[in-house]
Amino acid sequence: QVQLVESGGGVVQPGRSLRLSCAASGFTFRSYGMHWVRQGPGMGLEWVAVIAYDGTNVHYLDSVKGRFTISRDNSKNTLSLQMNSLRTEDTAVYYCAKEYSSSGGSHFDHWGQGTLVTVSS
Amino acid sequence: EIVLTQSPATLSLSPGERATLSCRASQSVSNYLAWYQRRPGQAPRLLIYDASNRATGIPVRFSGSGSGTDFTLTISSLEPEDFALYYCQQRSSWPLTFGGGTKVEIK
Repeated sequence: QVQLVESGGGVVQPGRSLRLSCAASGFTFRSYGMHWVRQGPGMGLEWVAVIAYDGTNVHYLDSVKGRFTISRDNSKNTLSLQMNSLRTEDTAVYYCAKEYSSSGGSHFDHWGQGTLVTVSS
Repeated sequence: EIVLTQSPATLSLSPGERATLSCRASQSVSNYLAWYQRRPGQAPRLLIYDASNRATGIPVRFSGSGSGTDFTLTISSLEPEDFALYYCQQRSSWPLTFGGGTKVEIK
């Protein structure tokens, strides 16, 4: 069965960096686009970034552009999110999510359980 | 950015009743809209993709309709496990956006 397991969350001061990882299993990772979605405290779901199946195409939420970098290693079935210059408003649970179709199409049929990032001084 | 507005915010119904949830987009998203269910402590579950297609394993009591800017999720007869939070999400343009959610609660 499909499994997505996030790691790397924690408490970090504003302006510092953190790297999240998502270990994928149970499907052909290299065939699917992958996303990061977050949910801040008391907030709704907010899409953060996407990377195409082969890593050639990425998109970001405007508020994280230039600070966050999404990447993937298809040989290790791993998705990553490098987060630099963190702000208090980046505090959230971060989920990795798999696209529902290998033909593309950014709806998500599997999600991880999330990893909590807290940005606080 | 496309804003998705869900209504009502809360729907109070009894088991066996029909639930009708609405999602309105600030501009056309064609049929590129999905619905998710979220139970407490769980990750979101894809119910409907591309407006009207049930995802794998989703019961037939869940159906989606609409196109352009107005969409509906219908649960034909509520089961106890259906009392949860529901979100819509568009994939028509970047950034992807979610609605604020509708909570279906037991009356």
